[in-house]
Order: sequence, then structure tokens, then C-alpha cells
Amino acid sequence: DMKVTQMPRYLIKRMGENVLLECGQDMSHETMYWYRQDPGLGLQLIYISYDVDSNSEGDIPKGYRVSRKKREHFSLILDSAKTNQTSVYFCASSFAGRSDYTFGSGTRLLVI
Amino acid sequence: QEKVQQSPESLIVPEGAMSSLNCTFSNSASQSIWWYQQHPGKGPEALISIFSNGNKKEGRLTVYLNRASLHVSLHIRDSQPSDSAVYLCAVSTYGSSGNKLIFGIGTLLSVKP
Repeated sequence: DMKVTQMPRYLIKRMGENVLLECGQDMSHETMYWYRQDPGLGLQLIYISYDVDSNSEGDIPKGYRVSRKKREHFSLILDSAKTNQTSVYFCASSFAGRSDYTFGSGTRLLVI
Repeated sequence: QEKVQQSPESLIVPEGAMSSLNCTFSNSASQSIWWYQQHPGKGPEALISIFSNGNKKEGRLTVYLNRASLHVSLHIRDSQPSDSAVYLCAVSTYGSSGNKLIFGIGTLLSVKP
């Protein structure tokens, strides 16, 4: 079954806590992405990973970092979460150079 | 930075009608244009793409692209209640961080039985 799996689906954290969002895919896609989606702003690209340990900043990388140690797994880390990082976070993957991304179902993060 | 704008913000059509969604983008050199569908609580799913001027038809979906006017439209024939969702227009661009999709905010389509 070809899919992108995100864990957890829902998360509540206090301001200042560290947050780890995890994403896995079973399609051997080289490229993986982290987006956040906010009302009125749409989907905004946080980071792109072209393969293991080959990551690039997207349009809004401040306050985030990523880790990709295996092709099928891509993590988003928020060090000392802030309330303005409350959002829905989507992971996606694709074959290199392709634009038909496969998205996960999202992680809904609330920072209080 | 590429800008993608969609209209209308929301659209209500009766079952069986044609749904027409619009999208404008800012860079005529953009690569392909994609339409994604997003149901509540789910991630976006790729529906259809177009690269060349003109139209492309897949099933009940037709996409029209006019690069000169920086405009693309999506038309859904014989709309069904199951088509109710947010439709996202996305433009594929090459930049300093490689190939990436820039998304519009979306059009909320409601198809009433």
C-alpha cells in the first residue's frame, strides 16, 4: 500500500518544549517535504530533503530543523516550541523532479 | 517568489452542474501547473496537471492553461457531492532550493444534492 504515514496525528505541547514530528513513506521516493498549513496562508514549504542527509531550507525554515537518516523516514524538529508554531503539518514525498506529491494526513500541533 | 491566487474562495453548485475554478500565477516561466484536492482532515491529493498552453481532459476534469494571461482553470463536469472538497492550485518552480510546488490558498467547493 503506497502511502505517507505521519505520527502523531494530534499533539499538544507547552511553549518551550521540544517537538518531534515523524514521517515515513514506503514508495522509495527520493524527495521528501515538510509543509505547514494555516487558514488564509495555505501550504507553506518548511524544508525539502533530496535524499539521506541532503536537506535544503524551504520558504519558512526559521524555528525548525529536520533529520533524514533513512530514505523512508523524515523528521521535523521544533526546538523550544512557540505558540505561533500551532498549525497543521504535512509531510509529502515524490520521485526526484516530480510534482505529483503524495501527502500524509497531517499532524495537528497545538502549542499552549 | 512565485505567487498563486485562486478564485472564488468558495463555490456552491447543485449536483450535476459544472464547477469552474480559477487560478492565476505570477511567472510565465513556471513549469507545470497542478490541481490538488483536499478533503477535511486529509492531506492534498494530486488530481491533474498541465504544462502546455491549451486544454487537457481526464474523465470529468478539464484544465485550461493560458501562459500569456498567467491563468489556469479547472472544470468539473457533472459535479457530485463526493467532489465537495478544497481544491488547491499549485505551480511547479525551480529555485535555489530545487524543484518545489507553490500552493494557492484554495477554493472550497460544495456540491449540493
